[in-house]
Amino acid sequence: EVQLMQSGAVVKKPGESLKISCKASGYTFNNHWIGWVRQMPGKGLEWMGIVYPRDSYSIYSPSFQGQVTLSADKSNSTAYLQWSSLKPSDSAMYYCARVEVATVESWYFDLWGRGTLITVSS
Amino acid sequence: AIQMTQSPSSLSASVGDRVTITCRASQGIRNDLGWYQQKPGKAPKVLIYDASSLQSGVPSRFSGSRSGADFTLTINSLQPEDSATYYCLQDYDYPWTFGQGTKVEV
Repeated sequence: EVQLMQSGAVVKKPGESLKISCKASGYTFNNHWIGWVRQMPGKGLEWMGIVYPRDSYSIYSPSFQGQVTLSADKSNSTAYLQWSSLKPSDSAMYYCARVEVATVESWYFDLWGRGTLITVSS
Repeated sequence: AIQMTQSPSSLSASVGDRVTITCRASQGIRNDLGWYQQKPGKAPKVLIYDASSLQSGVPSRFSGSRSGADFTLTINSLQPEDSATYYCLQDYDYPWTFGQGTKVEV
């Protein structure tokens, strides 16, 4: 089955580090970019960035550049989103999603993980 | 960054109605836009990509169109299971940007 399996919900304290995962199965991991999307409680979707699994080349939204790091491990078909120092404002649901390339110009998210809920509180 | 202005923010309609949701891009984005449906507590799901291409497995009552920088998602013959929040997403330029969302109540 083609799917993205995300790591479980986490509760962290401000200042702590965190790395969440998104494991792909059922397709060739290297062939598709993986994106990350944030959804704060009761709010809309925010595009954080995308990572290319073959070399972990990443493109970030300016809103998240320097705040998070995207990476990928080809050997276990897993993408990662990490923070070095969490803030309470990082509390949100985080989704990973696979990028499908419909045409050279048209990309979209065709497969989504179920999300990882991050709570940052002292 | 390209701004996507989505309207309305919410709407209520009856079973069988036709509803339209619009996204206006702050600049030209060709056809590089998709529509996503998100039900409460669930991950989003793509409905339309490339402005008007229906994703495999999505009911044909969903359709997308473009007129210049304005994009429309149309739901014909609205069904109870269409209650959800709908988002547009432009992929023309980085950062990709979502519209603010439209909550549809059936």
